[in-house]
Amino acid sequence: SQTIHQWPATLVQPVGSPLSLECTVEGTSNPNLYWYRQAAGRGLQLLFYSVGIGQISSEVPQNLSASRPQDRQFILSSKKLLLSDSGFYLCAWSLSGIRSPLHFGNGTRLTVT
Amino acid sequence: DQQVKQNSPSLSVQEGRISILNCDYTNSMFDYFLWYKKYPAEGPTFLISISSIKDKNEDGRFTVFLNKSAKHLSLHIVPSQPGDSAVYFCAASDGGTSYGKLTFGQGTILTVHP
Repeated sequence: SQTIHQWPATLVQPVGSPLSLECTVEGTSNPNLYWYRQAAGRGLQLLFYSVGIGQISSEVPQNLSASRPQDRQFILSSKKLLLSDSGFYLCAWSLSGIRSPLHFGNGTRLTVT
Repeated sequence: DQQVKQNSPSLSVQEGRISILNCDYTNSMFDYFLWYKKYPAEGPTFLISISSIKDKNEDGRFTVFLNKSAKHLSLHIVPSQPGDSAVYFCAASDGGTSYGKLTFGQGTILTVHP
């Protein structure tokens, strides 16, 4: 069966520091991968999605970037964090080529101080 | 512009009764709808989905109804159990993409009292 791993679970970083969140998927090949963010009291907002290695689409212009160096690895990064980057970050995967639900990791709670 | 709206921030229901969670959407291109359940500090878990070619889909205690003319969907949970207490998100995607680019509502907090 497929599993998704996301780490760390919580992170406190000062303003201006870099960020790297990692996500890996097991048990499937060539998945679609996604980064979502949930700000306090709001729904989930799609940040980035990827349909293959090195293929990244950005949905919202911002201080963050994403990379997919391997088929089942997705990384969310920032060179300099802002206070507004605080939130709950979720990685997700779905089967490629067909309509299918997204399956989420357990998320990373990021607090920028 | 909020294309998917859950206008009730919270809902409280007695155990054993029916829970009805509502969701409205504005984008007529949406043709695939999903419900997710989320516990604190965890990622959302997929519950049930419905395609726009249907108006009802059931899975155990969960039923989703879709009213395309009203651009409205609802999730019914019967009977409700205390373990159903969580935040429920509806989500939608349009037929113009095969990617899982879901647009989510703000969520409704369901509390089921014993």
